[in-house]
Amino acid sequence: RKEVEQDPGPFNVPEGATVAFNCTYSNSASQSFFWYRQDCRKEPKLLMSVYSSGNEDGRFTAQLNRASQYISLLIRDSKLSDSATYLCVVNRNTGTASKLTFGTGTRLQVTL
Amino acid sequence: GAVVSQHPSWVICKSGTSVKIECRSLDFQATTMFWYRQFPKQSLMLMATSNEGSKATYEQGVEKDKFLINHASLTLSTLTVTSAHPEDSSFYICSAKKGLAGSVMFYNEQFFGPGTRLTVL
Repeated sequence: RKEVEQDPGPFNVPEGATVAFNCTYSNSASQSFFWYRQDCRKEPKLLMSVYSSGNEDGRFTAQLNRASQYISLLIRDSKLSDSATYLCVVNRNTGTASKLTFGTGTRLQVTL
Repeated sequence: GAVVSQHPSWVICKSGTSVKIECRSLDFQATTMFWYRQFPKQSLMLMATSNEGSKATYEQGVEKDKFLINHASLTLSTLTVTSAHPEDSSFYICSAKKGLAGSVMFYNEQFFGPGTRLTVL
């Protein structure tokens, strides 16, 4: 089983739609959680951190459920520029290092 | 800011040659840098963690003699793919972490370089 699992998509949605991505992680020792965005053939860029209390950044809302080992990202009022692959990422401290594990990503295509 | 550069951005080489990729933190000192590899439609996979002045720590399944890492200064880490073969063709991305070496208590954001696309013929 992969350490971080995501639905690969693609999710094809019209502009203005609300779309939700889900992610599960298998290692209960994971300590911090993130959503990254990766455009085609580019490096990943941090979108937002994810907290148990839930956090919002403009049109983006992230939620963490530690008991279920589940992370979500909600995008409201989708824009064409939101088209990208969204990577669920977990961080685990191994005692000597801090290690990020990436999901395979969920591809979003926003259309007119 | 926190800018990380990589050079070259892409490289095409013949099978059997060695390729060196540089990763630089331009406006901060990075005691720890990470090297990732991403095959098409797959996730980024951590290859190794590079700490300035010490040997790199390699992930399971990554050959240290094939992927040589040198982190000689606080702003530069290099990855050399030795005797490259077509199966080494991939997108290699480095990241650099602000913060203190060994500071594992709290996550320090990793800043990613733009990646190097390696094609081995």
